[in-house]
Amino acid sequence: AQKVTQAQTEISVVEKEDVTLDCVYETRDTTYYLFWYKQPPSGELVFLIRRNSFDEQNEISGRYSWNFQKSTSSFNFTITASQVVDSAVYFCALSEAQGSGTYKYIFGTGTRLKVLA
Amino acid sequence: ETGVTQSPTHLIKTRGQQVTLRCSSQSGHNTVSWYQQALGQGPQFIFQYYREEENGRGNFPPRFSGLQFPNYSSELNVNALELDDSALYLCASSLTGRKSAKNIQYFGAGTRLSVL
Repeated sequence: AQKVTQAQTEISVVEKEDVTLDCVYETRDTTYYLFWYKQPPSGELVFLIRRNSFDEQNEISGRYSWNFQKSTSSFNFTITASQVVDSAVYFCALSEAQGSGTYKYIFGTGTRLKVLA
Repeated sequence: ETGVTQSPTHLIKTRGQQVTLRCSSQSGHNTVSWYQQALGQGPQFIFQYYREEENGRGNFPPRFSGLQFPNYSSELNVNALELDDSALYLCASSLTGRKSAKNIQYFGAGTRLSVL
């Protein structure tokens, strides 16, 4: 069955520390997509990154970086020099094809990140 | 701002009542997905609409139903509300049919439903 596991329920760091959020997934599909979303207190899920199963290159975007390792079915997310504004719940998600070219997402339970000033 | 708007933002209902939640998708998007997010949990897929038809459904009973309109906006209806239906309901829009769309779903801020 398709599944996403985010074992870290809550992480607290002091501002400027680096922090890594873990994501492990299970899927039967050979082609799939992985995502990270940020959910601030307002509730809206904010898209951060999409990675397809054929692209294992790590990606860096400013203070954010992502490490995709197919061999360990992991897609970890690192925030460098964390800031108070990074405080939110972060979700990892896996796509599952629905037919007609559409997909649903399977989400992990999320990791709440608290960055303390 | 994703351009996905949901209404209302908050709603209080009593057990047994019926509720309708609304979603306007991002301009140009033709697919709408609905998710239920219980407190402290990740979003759970309810169903998806594409070309005005249900195109995939999660593990939710038939009292959860929906519609998609020709302008791609959507409604989620829940009949015979139960206490466990209390949650944040999220709508996501996406574009199906173009490779450049990359299957990315853009979410609204949700409707928080409380069932008493």
